Amino acid sequence: DGGITQSPKYLFRKEGQNVTLSCEQNLNHDAMYWYRQDPGQGLRLIYYSQIVNDFQKGDIAEGYSVSREKKESFPLTVTSAQKNPTAFYLCASKVAGSYNEQFFGPGTRLTVL
Amino acid sequence: GENVEQHPSTLSVQEGDSAVIKCTYSDSASNYFPWYKQELGKRPQLIIDIRSNVGEKKDQRIAVTLNKTAKHFSLHITETQPEDSAVYFCAARGLYNQGGKLIFGQGTELSVKP
Repeated sequence: DGGITQSPKYLFRKEGQNVTLSCEQNLNHDAMYWYRQDPGQGLRLIYYSQIVNDFQKGDIAEGYSVSREKKESFPLTVTSAQKNPTAFYLCASKVAGSYNEQFFGPGTRLTVL
Repeated sequence: GENVEQHPSTLSVQEGDSAVIKCTYSDSASNYFPWYKQELGKRPQLIIDIRSNVGEKKDQRIAVTLNKTAKHFSLHITETQPEDSAVYFCAARGLYNQGGKLIFGQGTELSVKP
């Protein structure tokens, strides 16, 4: 799991600002995912990507955007349209295939001031 | 849509006792069921997983059972220790689920008291 990095660890944002969370992996994984975690709730899928230059919306994509220009990078932008962005954001990646383990990054805690 | 229900949401046990966490899933085509452990402020980490062609799997003090007919699976931790205290998440992945998406349960906060 050390092969997935997220930055920054903590991020503070003023209302109305867009912010971009970084996710990088050197594991040569095909698929990458973004999850949002709120206290007392499970992991909710925001976006995912199976290959470069392609991505799909997850369950809570509104107010978020992503890109997948390189296999190792999958940045997430939290836009001003996201009404309640304060949360813990987790990036994950895996090799293609149903039974392959999904590895998580260390997370970014975003706080809107 | 696809859904995974997890119970209980909190669980407190004495050190040395067993702990059981249960999950049910809605998609009968699900074929892979991992369990993740997340310590406070850290990333979730896989502790055990099971495929749909297996009914039970053990790894030292941890075991997972799967009942495909009833569409539920459970995590069993024996001889619990304080370091087992964490949030545990179950998940399911469907056979036809695009992108290998995992559907997660809501999590169980396990507290092991010394």
